[in-house]
Amino acid sequence: DVQMTQSPSTLSASVGDRVTITCRASQSISGWLAWYQQKPGKAPKLLISKASSLESGVPSRFSGSESGTEFTLTISCLQPDDFATYFCQQYDKTPLAFGGGTKVEIK
Amino acid sequence: QITLTESGPTLVKPTQTLTLTCTFSGFSLSTSGVSMNWIRQPPGKALECLAVIYWDDDKRYSSSLKRRLTITKDTSKNQVVLTLTNVDPMDTGIYYCAYRTNGFPIKDWGQGTLVTVSS
Repeated sequence: DVQMTQSPSTLSASVGDRVTITCRASQSISGWLAWYQQKPGKAPKLLISKASSLESGVPSRFSGSESGTEFTLTISCLQPDDFATYFCQQYDKTPLAFGGGTKVEIK
Repeated sequence: QITLTESGPTLVKPTQTLTLTCTFSGFSLSTSGVSMNWIRQPPGKALECLAVIYWDDDKRYSSSLKRRLTITKDTSKNQVVLTLTNVDPMDTGIYYCAYRTNGFPIKDWGQGTLVTVSS
């Protein structure tokens, strides 16, 4: 099974900061990686698919990139609504696998 | 519009069998490429994919839980059922069903159902 290693597990930041979250796959997933945002008591919301393709309606301050088996989610200018938990997920191979999550907290 | 609704018990005793149902609308599980997934999230922890069933009735399970899991579908009722045998307090969490088509990540989720395993 593919393992997804996400870091950091917690990130403290201020409004306006640039933040970066990293996810590493244990094997090649050919870029089939998604990023989700989850708020307390809610199901995850898809932000980015195919490593860097922004979903409709998602603000452009969110972006994704890949380098081999390492993937990055960047929020260019953190907004109050962005304080949440973020997960990566590979969907190249079954079973689907999620990263451990990154909680973005207010500094 | 796709809707997914999980239902089942909120409290289960250790060693019992948990049965969850996902009732959906807005698509057919007979359509090529469609799959239904069960995903759970222990309190404050990460998401874990438990099982998936495909339009052609192919089924895949989490390697660590496959001896305890069964997923089935009833296309005529638009339902997918997950059973988890011999539950333990570690099985406590929110259980989600989710819709996916081949080549795309999960976009549509149910609201989730909280299951507590306790005597």
